[in-house]
Amino acid sequence: DAGVIQSPRHEVTEMGQEVTLRCKPISGHNSLFWYRQTMMRGLELLIYFNNNVPIDDSGMPEDRFSAKMPNASFSTLKIQPSEPRDSAVYFCASSGVFDQETQYFGPGTRLLVL
Amino acid sequence: AQKITQTQPGMFVQEKEAVTLDCTYDTSDPSYGLFWYKQPSSGEMIFLIYQGSYDQQNATEGRYSLNFQKARKSANLVISASQLGDSAMYFCAMRGSGGNEKLTFGTGTRLTIIP
Repeated sequence: DAGVIQSPRHEVTEMGQEVTLRCKPISGHNSLFWYRQTMMRGLELLIYFNNNVPIDDSGMPEDRFSAKMPNASFSTLKIQPSEPRDSAVYFCASSGVFDQETQYFGPGTRLLVL
Repeated sequence: AQKITQTQPGMFVQEKEAVTLDCTYDTSDPSYGLFWYKQPSSGEMIFLIYQGSYDQQNATEGRYSLNFQKARKSANLVISASQLGDSAMYFCAMRGSGGNEKLTFGTGTRLTIIP
Protein backbone atom coordinates (compact mmCIF):
# COMPACT_ATOMS: atom_id res chain seq x y z
CA ASP A 1 0.00 0.00 0.00
CA ALA A 2 1.18 3.52 -0.75
CA GLY A 3 1.95 5.63 2.25
CA VAL A 4 1.41 9.36 2.57
CA ILE A 5 2.65 11.10 -0.56
CA GLN A 6 4.07 14.60 -0.51
CA SER A 7 5.27 16.82 -3.30
CA PRO A 8 7.58 18.40 -4.01
CA ARG A 9 10.26 16.71 -1.92
CA HIS A 10 12.51 19.74 -2.13
CA GLU A 11 11.66 23.35 -2.90
CA VAL A 12 13.98 26.31 -3.21
CA THR A 13 12.36 29.67 -3.73
CA GLU A 14 13.03 33.34 -3.28
CA MET A 15 11.53 35.51 -0.61
CA GLY A 16 8.15 36.85 -1.62
CA GLN A 17 7.24 33.96 -3.88
CA GLU A 18 4.21 31.75 -3.35
CA VAL A 19 4.89 28.18 -2.27
CA THR A 20 2.40 25.33 -2.49
CA LEU A 21 3.01 22.03 -0.78
CA ARG A 22 0.85 19.02 -1.63
CA CYS A 23 -0.20 15.93 0.24
CA LYS A 24 -2.09 12.76 -0.57
CA PRO A 25 -3.07 10.86 2.58
CA ILE A 26 -3.29 7.12 2.91
CA SER A 27 -6.44 5.88 1.21
CA GLY A 28 -9.26 5.48 3.72
CA HIS A 29 -7.73 7.75 6.33
CA ASN A 30 -10.03 10.51 7.52
CA SER A 31 -7.63 12.78 9.43
CA LEU A 32 -4.79 14.77 7.88
CA PHE A 33 -2.12 16.75 9.67
CA TRP A 34 0.46 19.33 8.61
CA TYR A 35 3.57 19.60 10.82
CA ARG A 36 6.64 21.77 10.52
CA GLN A 37 10.10 20.80 11.77
CA THR A 38 12.84 23.32 12.48
CA MET A 39 15.97 23.20 14.58
CA MET A 40 14.73 26.00 16.79
CA ARG A 41 11.15 24.87 17.39
CA GLY A 42 11.27 21.14 16.76
CA LEU A 43 8.14 19.44 15.43
CA GLU A 44 4.98 21.46 15.71
CA LEU A 45 1.47 21.00 14.39
CA LEU A 46 0.29 23.68 11.99
CA ILE A 47 -3.22 22.46 11.22
CA TYR A 48 -5.25 19.29 11.03
CA PHE A 49 -8.38 18.21 9.20
CA ASN A 50 -10.95 15.59 10.06
CA ASN A 51 -13.25 14.47 7.25
CA ASN A 52 -11.88 17.37 5.17
CA VAL A 53 -12.89 19.95 7.80
CA PRO A 54 -10.20 22.03 9.57
CA ILE A 55 -10.35 21.18 13.28
CA ASP A 56 -7.33 22.86 14.83
CA ASP A 57 -5.43 25.60 13.03
CA SER A 58 -3.97 27.20 16.13
CA GLY A 59 -0.46 26.38 14.98
CA MET A 60 -0.70 28.26 11.69
CA PRO A 61 1.91 31.01 12.09
CA GLU A 62 0.10 33.87 10.44
CA ASP A 63 -2.10 34.91 7.57
CA ARG A 64 0.62 34.09 5.09
CA PHE A 65 -0.13 30.41 5.67
CA SER A 66 -3.28 28.73 4.42
CA ALA A 67 -4.33 25.11 4.07
CA LYS A 68 -7.11 23.41 2.20
CA MET A 69 -8.50 19.94 1.87
CA PRO A 70 -10.94 19.94 -1.05
CA ASN A 71 -11.46 16.18 -0.89
CA ALA A 72 -10.45 13.12 1.09
CA SER A 73 -7.41 12.41 -1.04
CA PHE A 74 -5.72 15.78 -1.38
CA SER A 75 -4.54 18.69 0.73
CA THR A 76 -2.42 21.76 0.11
CA LEU A 77 -0.43 24.05 2.35
CA LYS A 78 0.26 27.42 0.82
CA ILE A 79 2.66 30.13 1.92
CA GLN A 80 2.17 33.53 0.32
CA PRO A 81 4.41 35.48 0.41
CA SER A 82 7.23 33.24 1.62
CA GLU A 83 9.95 34.47 3.97
CA PRO A 84 13.38 33.04 4.88
CA ARG A 85 12.10 32.09 8.35
CA ASP A 86 9.64 29.70 6.67
CA SER A 87 12.56 27.47 5.72
CA ALA A 88 11.86 24.11 7.33
CA VAL A 89 10.78 20.56 6.66
CA TYR A 90 7.02 20.31 6.27
CA PHE A 91 5.46 16.95 7.04
CA CYS A 92 2.01 15.71 6.18
CA ALA A 93 0.57 12.83 8.21
CA SER A 94 -2.69 10.92 8.16
CA SER A 95 -4.61 8.62 10.47
CA GLY A 96 -7.56 6.36 9.90
CA VAL A 97 -10.96 5.60 11.38
CA PHE A 98 -9.99 2.13 12.53
CA ASP A 99 -6.48 3.05 13.56
CA GLN A 100 -7.03 6.48 15.03
CA GLU A 101 -4.23 6.07 17.44
CA THR A 102 -1.42 6.27 14.91
CA GLN A 103 -0.36 9.03 12.56
CA TYR A 104 1.67 7.95 9.56
CA PHE A 105 3.99 10.54 8.13
CA GLY A 106 4.92 11.36 4.58
CA PRO A 107 8.55 11.84 3.55
CA GLY A 108 8.36 15.60 4.07
CA THR A 109 9.03 18.62 1.90
CA ARG A 110 12.29 20.42 2.55
CA LEU A 111 11.67 24.10 1.89
CA LEU A 112 14.41 26.69 1.55
CA VAL A 113 13.43 30.34 1.13
CA LEU A 114 16.31 32.54 0.05
CA ALA B 1 -1.53 21.90 28.08
CA GLN B 2 0.53 18.85 27.24
CA LYS B 3 4.27 18.64 27.55
CA ILE B 4 6.81 16.00 26.57
CA THR B 5 10.33 16.04 27.99
CA GLN B 6 13.25 14.11 26.60
CA THR B 7 16.31 14.86 28.72
CA GLN B 8 18.92 12.96 26.69
CA PRO B 9 20.02 15.01 23.69
CA GLY B 10 22.42 12.29 22.60
CA MET B 11 23.39 8.72 23.47
CA PHE B 12 26.16 6.38 22.36
CA VAL B 13 25.57 2.66 22.74
CA GLN B 14 27.61 -0.38 21.79
CA GLU B 15 26.09 -2.59 19.12
CA LYS B 16 24.01 -5.51 20.49
CA GLU B 17 23.46 -3.81 23.82
CA ALA B 18 20.02 -2.75 25.01
CA VAL B 19 19.24 0.96 25.20
CA THR B 20 16.64 2.95 27.08
CA LEU B 21 15.49 6.32 25.81
CA ASP B 22 13.79 8.46 28.42
CA CYS B 23 10.49 10.28 28.04
CA THR B 24 8.39 12.00 30.66
CA TYR B 25 5.12 13.72 30.04
CA ASP B 26 2.68 16.08 31.65
CA THR B 27 -1.02 16.30 30.94
CA SER B 28 -4.31 16.89 32.68
CA ASP B 29 -6.24 14.74 30.21
CA PRO B 30 -7.79 11.63 31.78
CA SER B 31 -6.87 9.53 28.76
CA TYR B 32 -4.05 9.95 26.31
CA GLY B 33 -1.79 8.11 23.92
CA LEU B 34 1.98 7.96 23.85
CA PHE B 35 4.02 7.33 20.71
CA TRP B 36 7.61 6.87 19.66
CA TYR B 37 8.88 7.80 16.23
CA LYS B 38 12.27 7.22 14.63
CA GLN B 39 13.82 9.75 12.27
CA PRO B 40 16.89 8.45 10.45
CA SER B 41 19.30 10.76 8.69
CA SER B 42 17.20 10.47 5.52
CA GLY B 43 14.55 12.52 7.32
CA GLU B 44 11.38 10.46 7.28
CA MET B 45 9.35 9.93 10.45
CA ILE B 46 8.80 6.25 11.17
CA PHE B 47 6.18 5.12 13.68
CA LEU B 48 7.59 2.62 16.16
CA ILE B 49 5.20 1.96 19.01
CA TYR B 50 2.05 3.17 20.75
CA GLN B 51 0.83 2.99 24.35
CA GLY B 52 -2.64 3.96 25.48
CA SER B 53 -2.99 5.40 28.97
CA TYR B 54 -5.52 2.75 29.94
CA ASP B 55 -3.61 -0.18 28.48
CA GLN B 56 -2.85 -2.66 31.22
CA GLN B 57 0.27 -4.04 29.62
CA ASN B 58 3.35 -2.35 28.26
CA ALA B 59 3.39 -2.21 24.47
CA THR B 60 5.89 -4.26 22.50
CA GLU B 61 6.74 -4.32 18.80
CA GLY B 62 9.58 -6.63 17.90
CA ARG B 63 12.78 -5.26 19.46
CA TYR B 64 10.93 -2.19 20.75
CA SER B 65 9.11 -2.06 24.04
CA LEU B 66 7.63 0.82 25.95
CA ASN B 67 8.22 0.95 29.69
CA PHE B 68 5.07 2.77 30.77
CA GLN B 69 4.96 3.99 34.38
CA LYS B 70 1.78 5.97 34.71
CA ALA B 71 2.30 7.18 38.27
CA ARG B 72 5.70 8.55 37.33
CA LYS B 73 4.39 9.89 34.01
CA SER B 74 7.14 8.21 32.09
CA ALA B 75 7.09 6.30 28.81
CA ASN B 76 10.61 5.13 28.10
CA LEU B 77 11.48 3.32 24.88
CA VAL B 78 13.61 0.22 25.22
CA ILE B 79 15.43 -1.16 22.21
CA SER B 80 16.84 -4.62 22.71
CA ALA B 81 19.90 -5.97 20.90
CA SER B 82 20.72 -2.68 19.22
CA GLN B 83 21.84 -2.63 15.59
CA LEU B 84 23.79 -0.12 13.53
CA GLY B 85 20.58 0.73 11.71
CA ASP B 86 19.07 1.95 14.96
CA SER B 87 21.23 5.07 14.76
CA ALA B 88 18.73 7.91 14.37
CA MET B 89 16.77 10.62 16.17
CA TYR B 90 13.99 9.28 18.37
CA PHE B 91 10.95 11.36 19.27
CA CYS B 92 8.44 10.76 22.02
CA ALA B 93 4.98 12.21 21.38
CA MET B 94 1.64 12.46 23.12
CA ARG B 95 -1.95 12.73 21.94
CA GLY B 96 -4.55 13.92 24.37
CA SER B 97 -8.25 13.24 24.66
CA GLY B 98 -11.24 15.46 24.07
CA GLY B 99 -11.32 14.81 20.37
CA ASN B 100 -8.14 16.71 19.54
CA GLU B 101 -5.82 14.37 17.67
CA LYS B 102 -2.86 16.75 17.72
CA LEU B 103 0.50 15.21 18.61
CA THR B 104 2.85 17.08 20.94
CA PHE B 105 6.48 16.09 20.40
CA GLY B 106 9.54 16.10 22.61
CA THR B 107 12.85 17.53 21.46
CA GLY B 108 14.24 14.14 20.56
CA THR B 109 17.25 11.98 21.44
CA ARG B 110 20.00 11.29 18.92
CA LEU B 111 21.06 7.66 19.29
CA THR B 112 24.35 6.48 17.83
CA ILE B 113 25.17 2.79 17.77
CA ILE B 114 28.89 2.05 17.91
CA PRO B 115 30.17 -1.08 16.13
